[in-house]
Amino acid sequence: DTEVTQTPKHLVMGMTNKKSLKCEQHMGHRAMYWYKQKAKKPPELMFVYSYEKLSINESVPSRFSPECPNSSLLNLHLHALQPEDSALYLCASSQPSWGQGALGEQYFGPGTRLTVT
Amino acid sequence: AQKITQTQPGMFVQEKEAVTLDCTYDTSDPSYGLFWYKQPSSGEMIFLIYQGSYDQQNATEGRYSLNFQKARKSANLVISASQLGDSAMYFCAMRVSGSARQLTFGSGTQLTVLP
Repeated sequence: DTEVTQTPKHLVMGMTNKKSLKCEQHMGHRAMYWYKQKAKKPPELMFVYSYEKLSINESVPSRFSPECPNSSLLNLHLHALQPEDSALYLCASSQPSWGQGALGEQYFGPGTRLTVT
Repeated sequence: AQKITQTQPGMFVQEKEAVTLDCTYDTSDPSYGLFWYKQPSSGEMIFLIYQGSYDQQNATEGRYSLNFQKARKSANLVISASQLGDSAMYFCAMRVSGSARQLTFGSGTQLTVLP
């Protein structure tokens, strides 16, 4: 099973709301990622978790708060977002070490389309 | 630093024809992997094919093949017998051994298959 699931598929929120995006994988991967993608652009890395610990934060504003409760789950908590944060948010997972497991490719979920009004 | 360049913002191909999507890369690391992903309008990034820098043969996966020319630092994706469902955005990406968890993406190529 090479599936990464994300909920919700679509989310509309006001600038004062608090919401969360959820991601789940059951491939035994120990690295998980959050990406932000604007239309017709490549994904931009936001956060990387390795063995449930935050290893990379690409200078993301604090209104985005990631959480990795266990090796299968990844959350992204949203608070006081701006309209420019509207985008597709993609979760991905992979084996954490080069040369370990399969090919090292990242498997992506279907994404959450976020609109901030 | 690593860089991926995709010079074709948009490509058109007739159904059942073959098409090549270009990708060049730049890295000083001798150990790296090259990936192609397909992204339909629904949004999901679908992994297509992988080529390791030490692989002697070009990767193939069904109708997808990767034309890997190491000296020219190119990793072009060839799709044979195009189908209407191949219409999508295609991203080339690279991962290097020193940054094992991060992908560097190209800007993408929007492929449209014509009936």
